[in-house]
Formats: sequence, C-alpha cells, structure tokens
Amino acid sequence: AQSVSQHNHHVILSEAASLELGCNYSYGGTVNLFWYVQYPGQHLQLLLKYFSGDPLVKGIKGFEAEFIKSKFSFNLRKPSVQWSDTAEYFCAVTPAHYGQNFVFGPGTRLSVLP
Amino acid sequence: DAGVTQSPTHLIKTRGQQVTLRCSPKSGHDTVSWYQQALGQGPQFIFQYYEEEERQRGNFPDRFSGHQFPNYSSELNVNALLLGDSALYLCASSLVSARQGNEQFFGPGTRLTVL
Repeated sequence: AQSVSQHNHHVILSEAASLELGCNYSYGGTVNLFWYVQYPGQHLQLLLKYFSGDPLVKGIKGFEAEFIKSKFSFNLRKPSVQWSDTAEYFCAVTPAHYGQNFVFGPGTRLSVLP
Repeated sequence: DAGVTQSPTHLIKTRGQQVTLRCSPKSGHDTVSWYQQALGQGPQFIFQYYEEEERQRGNFPDRFSGHQFPNYSSELNVNALLLGDSALYLCASSLVSARQGNEQFFGPGTRLTVL
C-alpha cells in the first residue's frame, strides 16, 4: 500500500526566511506527485504537481518542489516566506494511472511570524 | 466555470443517525472522489465513482456508501453515525481521460459534527 510521510508536524518561521518541507512516499511504480495548501478556513488548493519530465517543478506563489526518484522524495521549497503563507501543507501521491485516488500525507502546519 | 461545490456546509447529527452529503463536480469532469479529513490530519480516501459505479474504495466500513448520478454529481451516505465520524468531508472531481494524469480539484467540504 502506498503511504506518504511529511517530516515536520509544525514549522515556525519568520518572514523572509527560507522554507523546505519534506515529503517521502512509498510506492514501487510510477507516480504523480502533488502539493496542496489549505489556508485557514479555505479549501484545498493545488500548489504544484509533478507528472513527468523536469524533476524541478514550479508552482504558484513562488513555490517549487524537486522530485528525487532515488530517494522517493518530493520536497517543497520557497526562498522567502511571507506571513500570508501561513497554512497547512499536504503532500499527496497517486499512481500514474488515470482515475487513481490520492494518498495524502498528514500535513505540515506552517506559521510565519510577521 | 464553476468549481466543485458541496452541500451542506455544516451539519450536526447525533449518534445513530444517518446523513447524506452532496457534491457537484467541476464542469466537464466525470469522476468524483470522497475523502474524510479528521481534525489535524490529512484527507483519507473513502471511495471514487465513475460511470455511476464505485470504482475504488478505501479502508472505510460499509456504513459509508455513495451514489453517482447521470449528471456526474454524487452523494455520500453515512449510516449509524459514530462520534468518530465527525470530520470534514471533501469531494474531489477529475476527468478520467485527461491527458495529464489525474489531477483532482477539491470542493470546500462539509463539516459534519456528531454529538
């Protein structure tokens, strides 16, 4: 069975600090990878996704993630966080076949101090 | 272009009751998946409907059932509610034939509280 782990439960940063959130998955086949964000009181929104090709993918709001197949990792990064990045971040994996369900990680809560 | 919509927004039930949650997929999508998100946790997959049939199911008991209608909208039914069923229930839609894999779009969720 697939599983996703996220390294940190809660991360606290000051504005302008750099961010890296870890994500590792277990699955033997080809996968699609996603990072979703859930702002307080809002629904899940897609930050970025990896299907194939360049393992460094760029998403919205200055976020990027790198897929390292040998490490089964898909870490999320942002060079300089803002107070508005305060949210819950979820990594998700799905087999690269049409119509497959997502397996989510437990989430990392990011608090950015002004 | 309307996104995924869910109703109701909030719901309060008592133990033993039954509940029905509703979802309308994003325009053009044909597949609906349901997830349960307990407080402080990531969403857990319940089941997925395509062509009005349950195609996949997660590790949830038979008390959880669903339906998909010809217009692709879907319902999630939960019988004999338990306190542990209190959670945010998320609906996600996708297009099974999409060239770029299976990106899912999520609705705002229905917050179910079981007392």
